[in-house]
Amino acid sequence: KAGVTQTPRYLIKTRGQQVTLSCSPISGHRSVSWYQQTPGQGLQFLFEYFSETQRNKGNFPGRFSGRQFSNSRSEMNVSTLELGDSALYLCASSFGPGLDEQFFGPGTRLTVL
Amino acid sequence: GENVEQHPSTLSVQEGDSAVIKCTYSDSASNYFPWYKQELGKRPQLIIDIRSNVGEKKDQRIAVTLNKTAKHFSLHITETQPEDSAVYFCAASGILGQNFVFGPGTRLSVLP
Repeated sequence: KAGVTQTPRYLIKTRGQQVTLSCSPISGHRSVSWYQQTPGQGLQFLFEYFSETQRNKGNFPGRFSGRQFSNSRSEMNVSTLELGDSALYLCASSFGPGLDEQFFGPGTRLTVL
Repeated sequence: GENVEQHPSTLSVQEGDSAVIKCTYSDSASNYFPWYKQELGKRPQLIIDIRSNVGEKKDQRIAVTLNKTAKHFSLHITETQPEDSAVYFCAASGILGQNFVFGPGTRLSVLP
């Protein structure tokens, strides 16, 4: 079974631009969560989607948004990029929310110049 | 919301010794507690998990204990090996739809 995939793997943007990251979960998984990982900050939860509905949202500004499609693929968008948005963005999928192992994708490394 | 604390932030042990990492959580409704290992440049991967109806779980050299009354759980690694060197994250989650909340991580170094 194919694992979680994320595209693109690397991205370089400049301040003020916007970016869209994509995540394809493991087949059959309906829950997708997004995390921001920076050195010293661990895994910061962004949001979680299940069956196209946002179930939970972390403490991030409104510039961070996401959505999930009927095939469970998910995208996250960051508008008006800031230098501090440079990070590794990880998505994780699970069969259902809350009580199932989350399988992580390889991440998208975003650099904002 | 849930808050997960993890200690220590860094841990160095000699090869063959044991390592223990402890986490505390705040939401008594949480009932799923996974541990993830993240090697340098790689994605986090689940190494063991425990649910609230179990007090202890073991898988070869790795064990996790859970004390729901005190709201803390611990990861125990015995006979550590250099390949155990990584960052370990604990997490807490619940059936009521709370998101996974991760601890800040522990950087484990196993010295040969």
